[in-house]
Amino acid sequence: EMQVVESGGGLVQPGGSLRLSCAASGFTFMNFHMGWVRQAPGKGLEWVANINKDGSNNYYVDSVRGRFTISRDNTKNSLYLQMNSLRAEDTAMYYCAQLQYLVFDIFNIWGQGTMVTVSS
Amino acid sequence: EIVLTQSPGTLSLSPGERATLSCRASQTVWSNHIAWYQQKPGQAPRPLIFGASIRSIGTPDRFSGSGSGTDFTLTISRLEPEDFAMYYCQQYGSSTTFGGGTKVEIK
Repeated sequence: EMQVVESGGGLVQPGGSLRLSCAASGFTFMNFHMGWVRQAPGKGLEWVANINKDGSNNYYVDSVRGRFTISRDNTKNSLYLQMNSLRAEDTAMYYCAQLQYLVFDIFNIWGQGTMVTVSS
Repeated sequence: EIVLTQSPGTLSLSPGERATLSCRASQTVWSNHIAWYQQKPGQAPRPLIFGASIRSIGTPDRFSGSGSGTDFTLTISRLEPEDFAMYYCQQYGSSTTFGGGTKVEIK
């Protein structure tokens, strides 16, 4: 069964940092582009970042560019999101997701998410 | 950035009724790269439709997608109890963005 499992969320103060991880299984991780999508409490979905198969290209929503870094380790079947200079508005459930075919595509496989709360 | 506007915000219907959800884009979506997702409380989104009209694996055939250019529609032909949920559209023709969602609730 194809699945992804996120970890690393928690409570962090404004200005702090957090690193999210996503462990993939059940599919050949290096063959798929991957991404992060977030959802603030009671709000809709917001795309955060995508990365291509070999990690050579990444893409960000404007609100996180320069603060967040998406990366992957294909030897460990893992995706990461390094989040720096966190703000209250970054509070959300963060989902890791597998892209179907293209680096911008439908998100096919989703994890259950990891919650990030930015508060003093 | 392409802005997606979903309407209505809430749709109140009874089981067995037809649901029609709209997703309007602020500019033409290249190659009709529109997807639809269903999300239930406490769960991750589940893909239903991609390419505006192609059902994802496991999507029941009571769900259908249509549209082109800037106007897209998700239709649920006869609502089943498990269909009451939030629905989001996504465009992936130019970067990617999501609509604000439509809640389908039991009347």
